[in-house]
Amino acid sequence: KNEVEQSPQNLTAQEGEFITINCSYSVGISALHWLQQHPGGGIVSLFMLSSGKKKHGRLIATINIQEKHSSLHITASHPRDSAVYICAVGGAQKLVFGQGTRLTINP
Amino acid sequence: DARVTQTPRHKVTEMGQEVTMRCQPILGHNTVFWYRQTMMQGLELLAYFRNRAPLDDSGMPKDRFSAEMPDATLATLKIQPSEPRDSAVYFCASGLVWPLVPTQYFGPGTRLTVL
Repeated sequence: KNEVEQSPQNLTAQEGEFITINCSYSVGISALHWLQQHPGGGIVSLFMLSSGKKKHGRLIATINIQEKHSSLHITASHPRDSAVYICAVGGAQKLVFGQGTRLTINP
Repeated sequence: DARVTQTPRHKVTEMGQEVTMRCQPILGHNTVFWYRQTMMQGLELLAYFRNRAPLDDSGMPKDRFSAEMPDATLATLKIQPSEPRDSAVYFCASGLVWPLVPTQYFGPGTRLTVL
């Protein structure tokens, strides 16, 4: 079993839909990261959080430390949100990555 | 607009050749990471440095891979000899805060193809 599991692996939705991507982890962490990788390959760090909730524009990330679970939500999704979203958890020394969720938003 | 830069962006080489990838972290960042991404394995940590000192390179095949930071503005990842299974995208990332795993800023990656 992977230390970081994401679901779903693939998600296709229509423009405007509310999107939720889930991440569960089995290791102790000091922080959880959500990363976005665009079709061109570049990786951008979206959020780093260790408790509660963070919001940036149409993106919202939540984490439940007791349940070892995090969610990334996208409101009013847009085709430009199409990308691979990667969850990563950090211990004292390094990040462990999930396999990613490929999101496609159709116009 | 501070960015992590990586060179080359693409590299095609033959099996057995030496490959050197370079990374310039964001000025002032004290932590540098090397990652490898493949379709099968996803993103994997190869090595990371704090204040130029290697802290963990357990993810690297020791017999062929080496990572160094000759100075604060340059990190290198070498593969010698290269093998087809090394074909992947290699990302460098840098960050600032320690000991909390910092927000990491990723370079554009080096796409390596070993024939």
